[in-house]
Amino acid sequence: DAGVIQSPRHEVTEMGQEVTLRCKPISGHDYLFWYRQTMMRGLELLIYFNNNVPIDDSGMPEDRFSAKMPNASFSTLKIQPSEPRDSAVYFCASSSAGEDNEQYFGPGTRLTVT
Amino acid sequence: AQKITQTQPGMFVQEKEAVTLDCTYDTSDPSYGLFWYKQPSSGEMIFLIYQGSYDQQNATEGRYSLNFQKARKSANLVISASQLGDSAMYFCAMREGGGGADGLTFGKGTHLIIQP
Repeated sequence: DAGVIQSPRHEVTEMGQEVTLRCKPISGHDYLFWYRQTMMRGLELLIYFNNNVPIDDSGMPEDRFSAKMPNASFSTLKIQPSEPRDSAVYFCASSSAGEDNEQYFGPGTRLTVT
Repeated sequence: AQKITQTQPGMFVQEKEAVTLDCTYDTSDPSYGLFWYKQPSSGEMIFLIYQGSYDQQNATEGRYSLNFQKARKSANLVISASQLGDSAMYFCAMREGGGGADGLTFGKGTHLIIQP
């Protein structure tokens, strides 16, 4: 299995631009998670989906952030407009149902907003 | 209040020694799961071990074991016979609630450095 795939791996953009991060979960997994990692705040859950439906988006920092999962094999996290404080590593993870099931993380997208 | 507390920002350990990384948690939910992840300098998140709140025995995975003390709300990771490749950030995480997957709450992490 290819594991969780994220693209791009690195993104550098200017303040005010729109940024779209992409994720392909492991086939057969019905949960998908977006996390953000910064030095100041550590790893934070932004939003997660179950069977393509958003379940908890309470971690999304503000309206500039949006996430979609149009089908079981694809999700996007969009930031519009981007700001320097959005600079972070964004991880996508997926898992299947079950209490002891681990979440498999993708390699992450390192976003730099200048 | 923090849900996951890792009190050791950094640790230096001699190669081949055993290592204990501390983790305490806070939840009122009777059903929860505790996870440990390793993040090497390359940045990926690697799952190490899982402990469920109802599990009677401490979890073990190869050189990793979890010292689960439920009454103390403690879930320390023990690495036996440490190796240079164990140098990394280690994160303790919790999932609250049972029957399905929910997002994880992570601690701030411990930076472990194994010295030859």
